Amino acid sequence: GNSVTQMEGPVTLSEEAFLTINCTYTATGYPSLFWYVQYPGEGLQLLLKATKADDKGSNKGFEATYRKETTSFHLEKGSVQVSDSAVYFCALSDGGYSTLTFGKGTMLLVSP
Amino acid sequence: NAGVTQTPKFQVLKTGQSMTLQCAQDMNHEYMSWYRQDPGMGLRLIHYSVGAGITDQGEVPNGYNVSRSTTEDFPLRLLSAAPSQTSVYFCASKGAANTEAFFGQGTRLTVV
Repeated sequence: GNSVTQMEGPVTLSEEAFLTINCTYTATGYPSLFWYVQYPGEGLQLLLKATKADDKGSNKGFEATYRKETTSFHLEKGSVQVSDSAVYFCALSDGGYSTLTFGKGTMLLVSP
Repeated sequence: NAGVTQTPKFQVLKTGQSMTLQCAQDMNHEYMSWYRQDPGMGLRLIHYSVGAGITDQGEVPNGYNVSRSTTEDFPLRLLSAAPSQTSVYFCASKGAANTEAFFGQGTRLTVV
């Protein structure tokens, strides 16, 4: 079956530091890959996505590249802000099913 | 544009009580899903639907029922609440199988 593994948190950084959150996946077929963000007390919002190998998704300074050879979709940002503090979820959607498979989430804490 | 609306936002139940969590979307999406979010577990799929009149079980369906009589609504029923069902519940919808999902704000349920 499908699965997503992402690094455990919390990840604690100072403002303007570089961020990487690792995500690897196992899937049948050719999934689409997503990063969702959850701010405290809120639902999940799509941060970025990639639908095929070598695609790069980007939004709000965050980037992730779909690497089929390493089955990875690592999230990066060059300079984090306090407002980026949230929980980040890596997820995949297999075209054969209408649902998402999520990683366990990584909490990011950014201090001034 | 409301998107995905969940009600109620908070609920406390006694063991053995039943209740329905409501979910409605105004985007004419065919695909709808229910997830539960527990600490350290990420989001796990409870039930999903690929269209009106069609539902199927996800990873953790026991103790929950769903129905999909209209495209817009996808209620989740707890038949006899148990403390193990204490969780945050999210409803999501998507327009096509391999596209992004839109999430509601969540329902925080406590069973005592």
